[in-house]
Amino acid sequence: DSGVTQTPKHLITATGQRVTLRCSPRSGDLSVYWYQQSLDQGLQFLIQYYNGEERAKGNILERFSAQQFPDLHSELNLSSLELGDSALYFCASSVSSDRGPNTGELFFGEGSRLTVL
Amino acid sequence: KNQVEQSPQSLIILEGKNCTLQCNYTVSPFSNLRWYKQDTGRGPVSLTIMTFSENTKSNGRYTATLDADTKQSSLHITASQLSDSASYICVVRGPFSGGYNKLIFGAGTRLAVHP
Repeated sequence: DSGVTQTPKHLITATGQRVTLRCSPRSGDLSVYWYQQSLDQGLQFLIQYYNGEERAKGNILERFSAQQFPDLHSELNLSSLELGDSALYFCASSVSSDRGPNTGELFFGEGSRLTVL
Repeated sequence: KNQVEQSPQSLIILEGKNCTLQCNYTVSPFSNLRWYKQDTGRGPVSLTIMTFSENTKSNGRYTATLDADTKQSSLHITASQLSDSASYICVVRGPFSGGYNKLIFGAGTRLAVHP
């Protein structure tokens, strides 16, 4: 158990709909990362937050948005869903903001599997 | 361009055999390199971390090597077990830019261990 909690574990919805994925980081971790993993593909970085602020952006679509709340949990909002958005969405947390040559390890949750029909 | 390339893309070995997975990177400057193991449908878990000054590091039957001059890392698995079947992902912590060190992920090597 990594200590990172993601809900829901599974989600089935229709095209055009909107869903929210939730992530609770490990206790004490300030950084939250979101990744998308399509079937048989590698992890694609979406976005990172540190202590409530957006820190880095990857290949995140405009239809997707995220935020990190004062209690450090994070939500990833996916709207106007398309078939191609079906994927595993992972949240990861780490202690630091990645400033400097630190050795921060990412701790991943078990993922939220989104199926768009 | 900062990239991490892994080979082979997939590998099938028999239980008890050894194997070596490769990771080549063009990331510069380099902070550290981690190998993660990802079981199917699960989140990745860190196996080892290599910093610039380290050449070899072991974690049980897993041994990682790093050659910072050639920018290559390998993950050697000894006496493979069925539970080693997973994807192995190489992640390089790269340049410090915009206030943080960017993480660059490889696409992973999918290992299948057959009885």
